[in-house]
Amino acid sequence: SQQGEEDPQALSIQEGENATMNCSYKTSINNLQWYRQNSGRGLVHLILIRSNEREKHSGRLRVTLDTSKKSSSLLITASRAADTASYFCATDGRGSARQLTFGSGTQLTVLP
Amino acid sequence: NAGVTQTPKFRVLKTGQSMTLLCAQDMNHEYMYWYRQDPGMGLRLIHYSVGEGTTAKGEVPDGYNVSRLKKQNFLLGLESAAPSQTSVYFCASSYGRQGAYGYTFGSGTRLTVV
Repeated sequence: SQQGEEDPQALSIQEGENATMNCSYKTSINNLQWYRQNSGRGLVHLILIRSNEREKHSGRLRVTLDTSKKSSSLLITASRAADTASYFCATDGRGSARQLTFGSGTQLTVLP
Repeated sequence: NAGVTQTPKFRVLKTGQSMTLLCAQDMNHEYMYWYRQDPGMGLRLIHYSVGEGTTAKGEVPDGYNVSRLKKQNFLLGLESAAPSQTSVYFCASSYGRQGAYGYTFGSGTRLTVV
């Protein structure tokens, strides 16, 4: 079963614009992570936000977490063509297993 | 520093054949994972290991076996391949307790079962 669900499934923007992707999840979490996957490649870890944090920044990335709404958003500012990729959220749920559970991803296309 | 290396990168199997996918990491990570990725379904966990000599089932373990005889290697086996196992397989590793740190992924193995 998938814990995280990204929205939208696909997003197309012009270079220089901001891109916002959302993730909703179902159960309590310890942390939430965002990954990027370029076509035909493995996933690359972007950022981790813990359940007691509300916002985190890394370069052009801004992640927010609202545990009351069980949702997170990833904002990429001043997007570039190289940001074209699929973006996945992953949650580390509470409990003994605690593996990461991934959503189905948002396909971002940045047009030059 | 290679990170996580998966071999082979591509493979075509006939139904009923067997094969082993190899994952090797050089970061001294305790935790290793095998995922499969199918279109529109994200990644699903097949098996994982919390240390040398240990393995555990994930979300979709049926039809697969794993072994972690050495800390740096995590092998995924298909004893009798089925078309439903056509997928892209990713290995990942992490430093600490599961989910508390980011995962490092390999570049994937694209498997087609005909």
